[in-house]
Amino acid sequence: SAVISQKPSRDICQRGTSLTIQCQVDSQVTMMFWYRQQPGQSLTLIATANQGSEATYESGFVIDKFPISRPNLTFSTLTVSNMSPEDSSIYLCSVGSTRETQYFGPGTRLLVL
Amino acid sequence: GENVEQHPSTLSVQEGDSAVIKCTYSDSASNYFPWYKQELGKRPQLIIDIRSNVGEKKDQRIAVTLNKTAKHFSLHITETQPEDSAVYFCAASMGRGKTGANNLFFGTGTRLTVIP
Repeated sequence: SAVISQKPSRDICQRGTSLTIQCQVDSQVTMMFWYRQQPGQSLTLIATANQGSEATYESGFVIDKFPISRPNLTFSTLTVSNMSPEDSSIYLCSVGSTRETQYFGPGTRLLVL
Repeated sequence: GENVEQHPSTLSVQEGDSAVIKCTYSDSASNYFPWYKQELGKRPQLIIDIRSNVGEKKDQRIAVTLNKTAKHFSLHITETQPEDSAVYFCAASMGRGKTGANNLFFGTGTRLTVIP
């Protein structure tokens, strides 16, 4: 399976600021997704990152709060904007190829003070 | 959208015993059901998956069963070992074919503890 990396691995941020998380894959993949995992909780899909077009957001998530870029088939970014303590979570990217299987990156652990 | 329920939320077993985790889904169009294992501080790791054209799949000590009629699927771990201790998540998706079809909907997770 593809090797997936995320930067940063963790960060502590002040409320009102923004953080951009990067997801890099070592091979071209068809699908890239962004998930949020709040402490001790399950995974919730934020959006599908579409290459060359706007991301597709799930209910409860909006582009102004979570802008996403996907300039090519190996890279995507998620920005968490105007952060509040409620945004403290682990943010994970996942990738999929020609079949339904998804593999996850190592995650970015975010703490907002 | 799809709703996936998972039980139990916590499970403790003695080493060597079997563990069973059950999930139900709501959308009959779902046709792909993966299971992920997440150790503390680590990423979710795919351990086994099943597609709706089969009823059972086995990989060494791990097996998954699917009942499409009842819309439920289960993970079975036999001869459990302490290293099986982790949080296990089931998920469901509608697979490829239409926009959003690959979206995974996750269960709430089961914390499995294997007691040596």
